[in-house]
Amino acid sequence: QKEVEQDPGPLSVPEGAIVSLNCTYSNSAFQYFMWYRQYSRKGPELLMYTYSSGNKEDGRFTAQVDKSSKYISLFIRDSQPSDSATYLCAMSGSHNTNAGKSTFGDGTTLTVKP
Amino acid sequence: GAVVSQHPSRVICKSGTSVKIECRSLDFQATTMFWYRQFPKQSLMLMATSNEGSKATYEQGVEKDKFLINHASLTLSTLTVTSAHPEDSSFYICSASRGDEADTQYFGPGTRLTVL
Repeated sequence: QKEVEQDPGPLSVPEGAIVSLNCTYSNSAFQYFMWYRQYSRKGPELLMYTYSSGNKEDGRFTAQVDKSSKYISLFIRDSQPSDSATYLCAMSGSHNTNAGKSTFGDGTTLTVKP
Repeated sequence: GAVVSQHPSRVICKSGTSVKIECRSLDFQATTMFWYRQFPKQSLMLMATSNEGSKATYEQGVEKDKFLINHASLTLSTLTVTSAHPEDSSFYICSASRGDEADTQYFGPGTRLTVL
């Protein structure tokens, strides 16, 4: 079983829809939770990161972490065609654990149709 | 801030030749750099972790003699694919961490390698 599970999709929604992307994990040592966006043939771009449980909002994006359920989510409001990409969740423990490595989900491919 | 560059962005080479890919952190010092490989529509696969001035740590199954990593400074790491073969064709992406509490990684734009 993988440490981080992420539904690969693909997920297709109409423009303007609210999108929910999710990951589950098994390692209770994870404390930092990141979301990356990767466009085709590009490197991943950091969207947001949160520490421990709670919500964080940045524009149309909201990240939620529920450590008790080992479940994290990324919500995209008013989705746009430009949001079409693969979204990767990533997690890490406290600084310098696991040689600084993050554990990545496999990514969810999102298409927002005009 | 936190910009990472990679060069070249695309390279085509003949089988048996060696290819060097550079990864630079442009506006921060990277305590750790990572090299990934990604096949089309697949996940990132971590190849190795490198720290400035020390030997890289390779993931299981990655040939260290084939994928040579040098982390000469806090802003530069290089990956050399030696004696490349068509099966080495892939998208190679580096990332850099500045050692913040979350060990957040910032990714380069990637290098597409095609071996003929």
